[in-house]
Formats: sequence, C-alpha cells, structure tokens
Amino acid sequence: DVKVTQSSRYLVKRTGEKVFLECVQDMDHENMFWYRQDPGLGLRLIYFSYDVKMKEKGDIPEGYSVSREKKERFSLILESASTNQTSMYLCASSLWPVNLNNRAGETQYFGPGTRLLVL
Amino acid sequence: AQKVTQAQTEISVVEKEDVTLDCVYETRDTTYYLFWYKQPPSGELVFLIRRNSFDEQNEISGRYSWNFQKSTSSFNFTITASQVVDSAVYFCALSEAPNQANSKLTFGKGITLSVRP
Repeated sequence: DVKVTQSSRYLVKRTGEKVFLECVQDMDHENMFWYRQDPGLGLRLIYFSYDVKMKEKGDIPEGYSVSREKKERFSLILESASTNQTSMYLCASSLWPVNLNNRAGETQYFGPGTRLLVL
Repeated sequence: AQKVTQAQTEISVVEKEDVTLDCVYETRDTTYYLFWYKQPPSGELVFLIRRNSFDEQNEISGRYSWNFQKSTSSFNFTITASQVVDSAVYFCALSEAPNQANSKLTFGKGITLSVRP
C-alpha cells in the first residue's frame, strides 16, 4: 500500500514564525504535491515537484516555499507565518506518468493532513 | 482552462437510501483522467477510482458505481444503500497535462454527504 505521512496532525504557531511541514512517501513516487484546503474553496495547489530538486509553482505559491532534497521527502516552508495561512495542509504523491495504459500513473495518494493554526 | 464543477454542496440522506453525487468537467484535452476521492472526518483523502477518457464503461465496486458520459462531460458517483460510514466530503478531480512530467489535478469544491441513521 502507498504510504504518505506528514510530520504533524495539528500545529499551532505564532505570527512571524518560520514553519516547516514535512511529508514523506515510501513508494518511490517521482511527483509530490502540497495543497491547502479551506472551507468553500476546496483544494488549492501550492507547489509541486516532479523530481528531486525540481519544483513548480501551483495556483497559490505566495508566502510559501518548498524543498525536495531527497526523492521521498517534500517540505513546505512558511517563511513568516501569517493568520491567513491558518488552514488544512495536505501532501500527496504520484508515480511519473508513463502512458495512458499505466493504471498507476497520475493517481495522487494523500497523507493525513496537518491542521495549522497561526495565532 | 480545466474546470470541475460539483454543483451540489451538501446532501443529507437517511441510511439505506441511494444517493448520486454529480460531477461535470471542462477540458480541451482529448486525453485526460477523472478521479473520485473520499475525505472522511479524519481528514485524509482516500482514492476511490480513476477513469481515463477512452474508457466510458461504467464501473461498479460493491455499493459504489460510477457513470462516465463524455457526451455530457459528466462523471457521476452513486452510492447504493448508503451507510453512516459513507458520511464524508467527496471530491471529483480532472488531470491536467496527462502523461507529462508536470501533470497535476484540478479538484471540484467537494460535496458534503451526511448519512443519518
């Protein structure tokens, strides 16, 4: 089974703090993703990475950065946390898509989420 | 641009009722994938099904069934004989740039399903 873990289920931080959210997957997936989920807005993509040291901005990258030093680990960094970054953060991973018949490709598998509260 | 619309925001049913969750998508790609995910109160999104654009065959898995119709750009999800454990938020998603390295998903806003005993 695919296993995606996130370092914390719940986190409380103060405004201005630097926050690290860690995500680890154990299935040798090339792609990893960070989303935030807010009521009424659904899931929004923050950043993703399709290879070690590679990253691409998603729909809402402002105020965030990421790091992918190893294939299995993808970190989301809030350089200076603000109250509007209070949210549920979800990490996901997927295999490198090969072809249309690759039944495993494209499917993203999610971690349990981190509920972050910034005071 | 890719778009996924889940017009229903909240649905409440009584246990053992059948319920259908609607999903309508927009894409210019001829090759794409559609997905359904379940998010129970614990928070983790659980993958339910993946369907590619060339396979319009309906699928059944236990009490779950999916109806994919390209003519109406819909990928609806039906739960038969609903149970309390089906209470969750359900997301429909569409792949962007499939089969490319930077492929990503577009999600609908989700449907909150409540199944009452």
